[in-house]
Amino acid sequence: DAGVIQSPRHEVTEMGQEVTLRCKPISGHNSLFWYRQTMMRGLELLIYFNNNVPIDDSGMPEDRFSAKMPNASFSTLKIQPSEPRDSAVYFCASSLIRGQGALGNQPQHFGDGTRLSIL
Amino acid sequence: GQNIDQPTEMTATEGAIVQINCTYQTSGFNGLFWYQQHAGEAPTFLSYNVLDGLEEKGRFSSFLSRSKGYSYLLLKELQMKDSASYLCAALSGNTPLVFGKGTRLSVIA
Repeated sequence: DAGVIQSPRHEVTEMGQEVTLRCKPISGHNSLFWYRQTMMRGLELLIYFNNNVPIDDSGMPEDRFSAKMPNASFSTLKIQPSEPRDSAVYFCASSLIRGQGALGNQPQHFGDGTRLSIL
Repeated sequence: GQNIDQPTEMTATEGAIVQINCTYQTSGFNGLFWYQQHAGEAPTFLSYNVLDGLEEKGRFSSFLSRSKGYSYLLLKELQMKDSASYLCAALSGNTPLVFGKGTRLSVIA
């Protein structure tokens, strides 16, 4: 079975440029999560979607970050304009949440991540 | 808010047993996950506990005490390939997982 697929694996760009990260969740999963991981702060949740609807974006650092999920099989995380402090590994994860409301105990499956460097 | 604490680093010898502790403070506790993350790779699911007690899965076991806000991951018969970061994550009510910063385990010969 195909896991969560992220692209690109690596991105190096100059500050001020727009960066778009892509994610394809596991087929049949109804929830998608975007995380950022750094040595200092660990793994931080940025935003998550349930049935393609953004549920909680309180982790999004600021207005420069935006995320969309136009359909069940695709999501993007965009940074515009990018800054050096955005350099991190960005992970996408998906899971199947059963029932309404509760996030449930189904494990999240992570993609391989995008290593982003802003110069 | 939620708070998760785990040691930053641990070192253990090949063939030995190591216990990685995690304490959490959260309201509406709904379960605790352990993930393994090798350097440069994605986190992968190891275990989930919601009831008190020990869950065993081969060389890995996970323990939970809800009253103490405490969990541990026990790794037996350590192998070099077990060198990785181990992330503890708590599920609370209807909020998503909150991850600890991870414990970097080094297995030495």
